Amino acid sequence: GESVGLHLPTLSVQEGDNSIINCAYSNSASDYFIWYKQESGKGPQFIIDIRSNMDKRQGQRVTVLLNKTVKHLSLQIAATQPGDSAVYFCAVCYSGNTPLVFGKGTRLSVIA
Amino acid sequence: DGGITQSPKYLFRKEGQNVTLSCEQNLNHDAMYWYRQDPGQGLRLIYYSQIVNDFQKGDIAEGYSVSREKKESFPLTVTSAQKNPTAFYLCASSQTGEAGELFFGEGSRLTVL
Repeated sequence: GESVGLHLPTLSVQEGDNSIINCAYSNSASDYFIWYKQESGKGPQFIIDIRSNMDKRQGQRVTVLLNKTVKHLSLQIAATQPGDSAVYFCAVCYSGNTPLVFGKGTRLSVIA
Repeated sequence: DGGITQSPKYLFRKEGQNVTLSCEQNLNHDAMYWYRQDPGQGLRLIYYSQIVNDFQKGDIAEGYSVSREKKESFPLTVTSAQKNPTAFYLCASSQTGEAGELFFGEGSRLTVL
């Protein structure tokens, strides 16, 4: 099976600074990783994903890093904006057809 | 527009009553999922279905039931056997096969009075 843990339940950053949100997973056979953003009262929205054959992937202002050696995943948000304030979840897939397992989320607060 | 529609958005129920939450998708996805979210918690899997007329229990299936009679629809019934049903319920869908992104609905908030 798979379990997913988070390093910090809350994170506060100054507007314009970079944010780093961390996640740890338990199963070394996990092959797909994804980050979601959830605003209050809404469903999670896809941010970025990465497969186990990669260690870094970049999107618009976001980067996901995967360290398979220590089973660690991180989401980096560049130049954090007030609109980035939300709860961020990592999710991990153990193998092909198994459902995603979610971490508990980190609440990111951006200080203007 | 393609997407997932959950209804109702808010629902109040008296103890001892069953309630059914609706989830419809027009993305032509094979797989559908129900997750439960409690305050400050992650998403916990209730049930999922990878094909019509078939579904599997997730981590917290007790007190819930589902059906998958049509590809587009995956309703969740919260039964009176569910001890603590007040929560935010999220429906999602995805293509089956290789692991990939889940597309979520906007959620249904159930409150038991």
